[in-house]
Amino acid sequence: GAGVSQSPSNKVTEKGKDVELRCDPISGHTALYWYRQSLGQGLEFLIYFQGNSAPDKSGLPSDRFSAERTGGSVSTLTIQRTQQEDSAVYLCASSTQGGANSPLHFGNGTRLTVT
Amino acid sequence: AQRVTQPEKLLSVFKGAPVELKCNYSYSGSPELFWYVQYSRQRLQLLLRHISRESIKGFTADLNKGETSFHLKKPFAQEEDSAMYYCALRSQGNLIFGKGTKLSVKP
Repeated sequence: GAGVSQSPSNKVTEKGKDVELRCDPISGHTALYWYRQSLGQGLEFLIYFQGNSAPDKSGLPSDRFSAERTGGSVSTLTIQRTQQEDSAVYLCASSTQGGANSPLHFGNGTRLTVT
Repeated sequence: AQRVTQPEKLLSVFKGAPVELKCNYSYSGSPELFWYVQYSRQRLQLLLRHISRESIKGFTADLNKGETSFHLKKPFAQEEDSAMYYCALRSQGNLIFGKGTKLSVKP
């Protein structure tokens, strides 16, 4: 079946512009995660959605970052007033539920470049 | 605070040599630990989880609660093992990753 789909695959934007990154999780997966991957920093947790519970936003680096998940499916990560340090690969993952028997399935990521 | 530490950014070995990728964690409670792998131009994917006590592609990892470690081992490395390896800890549903170790297996 289809895996986690992210769009766009690449995004180049000018400093100060807003960007939206989209994630389509695997159908039926209740948990959705956003991570940021950059050289030297590994995988940095951003935000986690689980079903209808309030999202865990503890990883968002600043108030310029926000995310929503509509209808328990598609998620959008928004970065306002982008800065050069926001350049990274943004990864989305989904899983059936929390726990050791629920591995994360990752998308291919969106490579964001802020010029 | 929950934390995952992978002390080596890069590990280079020759084909056929043993390999050990180190992972230490900090967690108050019973940990759930995983290894994820990302091959060149591929998605990040699960390699193995401690609860399954499995061997995948010749890799094993044993949870040592006394040393708070979950090192990944393989007795004879292969060139196709070259990849980025991430250790991960599940904390309150979320998954916390280490910074990763790049394994390079030379012919």
